[in-house]
Amino acid sequence: AQTVTQSQPEMSVQEAETVTLSCTYDTSESDYYLFWYKQPPSRQMILVIRQEAYKQQNATENRFSVNFQKAAKSFSLKISDSQLGDAAMYFCATMNRDDKIIFGKGTRLHILP
Amino acid sequence: DTAVSQTPKYLVTQMGNDKSIKCEQNLGHDTMYWYKQDSKKFLKIMFSYNNKELIINETVPNRFSPKSPDKAHLNLHINSLELGDSAVYFCASSHPGSSYNEQFFGPGTRLTVL
Repeated sequence: AQTVTQSQPEMSVQEAETVTLSCTYDTSESDYYLFWYKQPPSRQMILVIRQEAYKQQNATENRFSVNFQKAAKSFSLKISDSQLGDAAMYFCATMNRDDKIIFGKGTRLHILP
Repeated sequence: DTAVSQTPKYLVTQMGNDKSIKCEQNLGHDTMYWYKQDSKKFLKIMFSYNNKELIINETVPNRFSPKSPDKAHLNLHINSLELGDSAVYFCASSHPGSSYNEQFFGPGTRLTVL
């Protein structure tokens, strides 16, 4: 069975600083995808970044990057130059070939001005 | 030009009632999903559905039923609503076989059962 663990229920970071959200997962699949979704107070689920498990290179999207450690089954999200608009719940998720997404419990990120 | 839309955004109803939440996607996707987000923000899949197959999460009560009039719609019907059904329900869609299999989410429907 797939599981996703986010061990940090809440985090805070000073504006313009860098923060890393941790995520570990467990899967028996060899081919899968990993995602980070952002859920601001508006409730909309927004895809932040994605990673294919077969790719060794870490995905990057502007200020967002991941540290993907496949052997350790770790998929952390780094947010650089944090902005007030980054404040949200962040969900780590895995998807296997059956398109079944499993979400972690989320990390609430606060940005301190 | 909303990709995945849900109606209504808010739904307040009495225990025991039957209600529906509508979902429509204009992305041409083959597969649609319903998720439930509980009060602790935990997202859990309820159903996935394409033209060929309905996959039901075994923990979903049979009071919940998805209905798909066509490929672009997957509505969620809930019978005999209970207090524990209060949650935010998200619809999503994807196109299996695409490069990333990304799921696109609707804005969510907050259901409150009194």
